[in-house]
Amino acid sequence: GAVVSQHPSRVICKSGTSVKIECRSLDFQATTMFWYRQFPKQSLMLMATSNEGSKATYEQGVEKDKFLINHASLTLSTLTVTSAHPEDSSFYICSARRGMLSSYNEQFFGPGTRLTVL
Amino acid sequence: KQEVTQIPAALSVPEGENLVLNCSFTDSAIYNLQWFRQDPGKGLTSLLLIQSSQREQTSGRLNASLDKSSGRSTLYIAASQPGDSATYLCAATNSGYSTLTFGKGTMLLVSP
Repeated sequence: GAVVSQHPSRVICKSGTSVKIECRSLDFQATTMFWYRQFPKQSLMLMATSNEGSKATYEQGVEKDKFLINHASLTLSTLTVTSAHPEDSSFYICSARRGMLSSYNEQFFGPGTRLTVL
Repeated sequence: KQEVTQIPAALSVPEGENLVLNCSFTDSAIYNLQWFRQDPGKGLTSLLLIQSSQREQTSGRLNASLDKSSGRSTLYIAASQPGDSATYLCAATNSGYSTLTFGKGTMLLVSP
């Protein structure tokens, strides 16, 4: 159990276009989902935390108008990179947690999405 | 603010060796600590989660320990195999509501 999927796994787009990445919890309800960004040979950097039905909380330095997050259901969160530029090229990973407070606060991670902006 | 450090950054060992990966954290008031594995270009696979009240967790050839007083956790891998080659990340959380703070990882290479 506790499987998280992401779609697409890889996307290449032209500069200026918008890209939507989906994150789904397949076999559990995820009240809270997280979006991370990872540069080559670096660790994961938290971008934002989203709770179902409410606005996402963005980390300092992350532009909320640039990275739109929607968590409209208990199994789906989306990240839209608007007007993407080459510096947005990165590996984006989502994770999901059962409930706002789970007994273990354990997060389950998706397989990641490789975004390349030309 | 919690900070997590992993040493070494990279490790290369021959197959069959037992090895230890180190993780240290600055705030001992942690809620739990997780160890993950990440293969190149892939997401994270959770290996072990240790609650603050626990001293260690075991899964197969993996054993993770937690010493809150010294701010350290170790991941012990017994009888390493080439398939263990990956980057290992540790992450701490300070409450049931808080986010994970990740270390930069240890890149492990196990050669046949």
